[in-house]
Formats: sequence, C-alpha cells, structure tokens
Amino acid sequence: KAGVTQTPRYLIKTRGQQVTLSCSPISGHRSVSWYQQTPGQGLQFLFEYFSETQRNKGNFPGRFSGRQFSNSRSEMNVSTLELGDSALYLCASSLGASGHIETQYFGPGTRLLVL
Amino acid sequence: GQQLNQSPQSMFIQEGEDVSMNCTSSSIFNTWLWYKQDPGEGPVLLIALYKAGELTSNGRLTAQFGITRKDSFLNISASIPSDVGIYFCAGQLPPSGTYKYIFGTGTRLKVLA
Repeated sequence: KAGVTQTPRYLIKTRGQQVTLSCSPISGHRSVSWYQQTPGQGLQFLFEYFSETQRNKGNFPGRFSGRQFSNSRSEMNVSTLELGDSALYLCASSLGASGHIETQYFGPGTRLLVL
Repeated sequence: GQQLNQSPQSMFIQEGEDVSMNCTSSSIFNTWLWYKQDPGEGPVLLIALYKAGELTSNGRLTAQFGITRKDSFLNISASIPSDVGIYFCAGQLPPSGTYKYIFGTGTRLKVLA
C-alpha cells in the first residue's frame, strides 16, 4: 500500500506570494491533517479535514487555509507569505473512523523557503 | 500551541547502550504514538499505544502507555548508529469535538560508534 505523498517536496517563494501544497493520503484513509514544523516551535497542528470538511483547526492566521476533495486528497494554501512561514509542512493521514482511536501516518513533507 | 514535555531534549550515547526517553503531560490522552524523524523527512511511526498500561515492542524498541494516561516511555535497546534521529511522542486527546494530536518537543539522539 502506497504511503502518504506530498508535492512538491521543495519550494522557494518570495514574501507576499501565495503557495499551494498537495497531499495524497494512504488509500482508504479519509482524514488528512496538516502540520507546520519549525526548529523553534516544533510540530504545530494547522487543521484536519475529514470527508471534505474541516473538522479541527489549530491556532494559525486566516492566511492558512485548506480543502479536501472527494477522493480525500487535500491541499493547503498560504496567502501573502511571510518570512516566518518558512518551514517543513507535513501532511498526515488516518482512517478517520468514528471510533476516535486513530493512528496517523506522515508524508515526507514539503519544505517551503520564503525569501 | 500545545506541546507535551519530552525529555531528555538530546542525548549522546555509545553504540550498544540502551536509551530511555519519556513524555509527560497534565492532560489525559487516549492514544500515544512514537515517531522517528530523519533530517528533511517526515516522521515515521514506530509504535502506537491505545490502552493505559499497555506495553508494546517493535524490534529493539519498547514503549509503554502510562497508567495515569498522562505519560509514555520509549526504550531503545542495544543502540546502533542508524538510531540517530529525532524521536517524537504524540498524544491524542479524548474526544471533545476534536481528534487532534499534541506533539512532544522531540528527543535528539546521537549514537557514537
């Protein structure tokens, strides 16, 4: 079974631009979560999508948004990029079943550098 | 954002030694996961724990879900150079309209051959 895939793996943008990152979950997984990882803040939860709906949201500004498609693939968008948005963006997928006990599997990440 | 207290932050050990690290919190968790992350890559799941008191092994790795549900431990026996990396714990909060995970700050492990 293929793992979580993320594209692109690396990205360089300039301040003020916007960026869209993509994540394809493990086949059969319906929940996709996004995280931002930086050396100073560690892994911070951005949001989670399940069945095309945002189910949870972290404490990030509205410049960070996401969506999920009917095939469970997800995209996240960051508008008006700031230098501090430079980070490794990780996507994690899980079954998303209603039993609440979930195991998350991560993709390799997209490393974003904002200049 | 919320984070778990993970210790130690970093450790240097000799090849062949055993390693222990732990995560603690003031919150109760339903699930504990342990991940290893190599530079520039995403975290890879090592062990998942679903029940208080549960002790689970994966090769040289052993992890336990604390009885109080507020902590978890990971042990690595007979370390080898490829154990180098950052180890993260993650706890899933009980459902209260949210299913999100909280992550530890990471333990950076360096193994000296």
